[in-house]
Amino acid sequence: SQQGEEDPQALSIQEGENATMNCSYKTSINNLQWYRQNSGRGLVHLILIRSNEREKHSGRLRVTLDTSKKSSSLLITASRAADTASYFCATDTGRRALTFGSGTRLQVQP
Amino acid sequence: GAVVSQHPSWVICKSGTSVKIECRSLDFQATTMFWYRQFPKQSLMLMATSNEGSKATYEQGVEKDKFLINHASLTLSTLTVTSAHPEDSSFYICSARGGTTQYFGPGTRLTVL
Repeated sequence: SQQGEEDPQALSIQEGENATMNCSYKTSINNLQWYRQNSGRGLVHLILIRSNEREKHSGRLRVTLDTSKKSSSLLITASRAADTASYFCATDTGRRALTFGSGTRLQVQP
Repeated sequence: GAVVSQHPSWVICKSGTSVKIECRSLDFQATTMFWYRQFPKQSLMLMATSNEGSKATYEQGVEKDKFLINHASLTLSTLTVTSAHPEDSSFYICSARGGTTQYFGPGTRLTVL
């Protein structure tokens, strides 16, 4: 079963703009991870944020985590056409497999 | 970093045949591996947890007699789709837990004609 939902389901922006995706989940977690998936391809791990962290940066990526609201956001700054992909959050409860959100399809127009 | 491989990367088969997909952890041992299925434009859904030396644990709604999982060694898990039908066409992704990190294979695209 899916842990939660992501919004928006789809997002279309122009190159250079920022893209923000949100993820909500249902249970307590050890960490939350964000992945990218290009069409028809495997997953690329982007960033992991632990439950005791509130914000994390990696290059043009900024992730926030609010455990009280059970939500996370992924911000991609200065987007590029190559950022076009689907983005998934995944929660790790430490007991078993990662549980994925519903995903956001990002289209960056050149 | 740790690598998980899958073979084949894609397969096309006729309805009614069986297809085996291999998942290998290349540089670490994995007592637990996971199999996910992803339909077009949808998220990854966990199908089953593969446990080395014991029976797999299937998620609700996944037919264990149709999706046979064998975890024969600490580096290999196989998923066999038996009597495949067009509705089984999907992207199958395995992952292996190495310590606290889960590593994903590149996926196998199954198309059943």
